[in-house]
Amino acid sequence: EIVLTQSPATLSLSPGERATLSCRASQSVSSYLAWYQQKPGQAPRLLIYDASNRATGIPARFSGSGSGTDFTLTISSLEPEDFAVYYCQQRSNPLTFGPGTKVDIK
Amino acid sequence: QVQLVQSGAEVKKPGASVKVSCKASGYTFTSYGISWVRQAPGQGLEWMGWISAYNGNTNYAQKLQGRVTMTTDTSTSTAYMELRSLRSDDTAVYYCARDFVAAAGGPLDYWGQGTLVTVSS
Repeated sequence: EIVLTQSPATLSLSPGERATLSCRASQSVSSYLAWYQQKPGQAPRLLIYDASNRATGIPARFSGSGSGTDFTLTISSLEPEDFAVYYCQQRSNPLTFGPGTKVDIK
Repeated sequence: QVQLVQSGAEVKKPGASVKVSCKASGYTFTSYGISWVRQAPGQGLEWMGWISAYNGNTNYAQKLQGRVTMTTDTSTSTAYMELRSLRSDDTAVYYCARDFVAAAGGPLDYWGQGTLVTVSS
């Protein structure tokens, strides 16, 4: 099973700042990595798939990069609605998620 | 628009079974799969398994093998997840999500609203 590690666990930032979230895989997942956003009481929402492709309707301030074992989700300028928990997910069997990074308001 | 609508909250006793439904609309049901993901209170996301709505093939997480069954009813575009021999640590919100038709792995592009299953004596 491929284990995903996310860092930091919590990121405290102010609106307008840049957020950089990391996801590391225990072995190569090629580019088969997705990112999800989850707000309290809501289902996760797909942001990025195949490492760098934005899902339908996702604003351009969200971008993804990386391949192999190291991946990054960048939010270029935080909006108030971006404060949430972010999970990465890889697609090799079994599908696994990272433990999440909470982005909260500083 | 694509929608996945899940059944309502359940309260079960230890040892009982629960069956959660997930009704799909807005797309061709048999062109995709459905993955089930659960989230214990205050915890992260755990993938439970996948079913192809095209041919009924399944792939279950190893830790749930023998306790979980996933099925679909193509006539109503509904997926089902049954979990048996419930324990207190099965208390979680259970989500269905649209997945790839041929294998699990996502991306999981549309999600149901979640179903809270509480296991308590």
